[in-house]
Amino acid sequence: EPEVTQTPSHQVTQMGQEVILRCVPISNHLYFYWYRQILGQKVEFLVSFYNNEISEKSEIFDDQFSVERPDGSNFTLKIRSTKLEDSAMYFCASSDNRGPVREQYFGPGTRLTVT
Amino acid sequence: ELKVEQNPLFLSMQEGKNYTIYCNYSTTSDRLYWYRQDPGKSLESLFVLLSNGAVKQEGRLMASLDTKARLSTLHITAAVHDLSATYFCAVDSSSGNTPLVFGKGTRLSVIA
Repeated sequence: EPEVTQTPSHQVTQMGQEVILRCVPISNHLYFYWYRQILGQKVEFLVSFYNNEISEKSEIFDDQFSVERPDGSNFTLKIRSTKLEDSAMYFCASSDNRGPVREQYFGPGTRLTVT
Repeated sequence: ELKVEQNPLFLSMQEGKNYTIYCNYSTTSDRLYWYRQDPGKSLESLFVLLSNGAVKQEGRLMASLDTKARLSTLHITAAVHDLSATYFCAVDSSSGNTPLVFGKGTRLSVIA
């Protein structure tokens, strides 16, 4: 069964460093998302991406964040200068957004620890 | 702004008992999702509810949707320890390519 994959599973970085989180969405999906979950809290939407551009973003997704689809398979989230409060689990999701269900399939997540 | 509220946030229940988790949302939506999350793991899709009156069942879990009341319930029947997890409901804003808005989750602990 197709699935969303993410790398790395765990990333430790120092404050102020840049990190890139990688995702490979399900191959025939066209809509991609990043969410984050601070430990013990709810899942929060960051950004959605369609047709090579951002379609929607939340207040969390400020100038420190960017997304890219550098090739036909990868979807990346970059944090330019990490802060302690960026420590969280980051989930990538994808959907084909067709039909009534429009289910988003989530990857296993990347745990980001900023020290 | 779409808001999603779940209650209770914490639930400790004995094996064999029944209980219901509630999910209220603030604006009209066509789709409501229930997910399960085990500690340190990703989100596992449980149910997708698309219409008023929709009811879906899988094993000891049953989900229903009342779009007029903007309420979904997740009912647990005869709980077993394996159901211990955090359960999230999520709603999308029905405006095309829509992000999900999640509730805070219900942390369920089933004890013997």
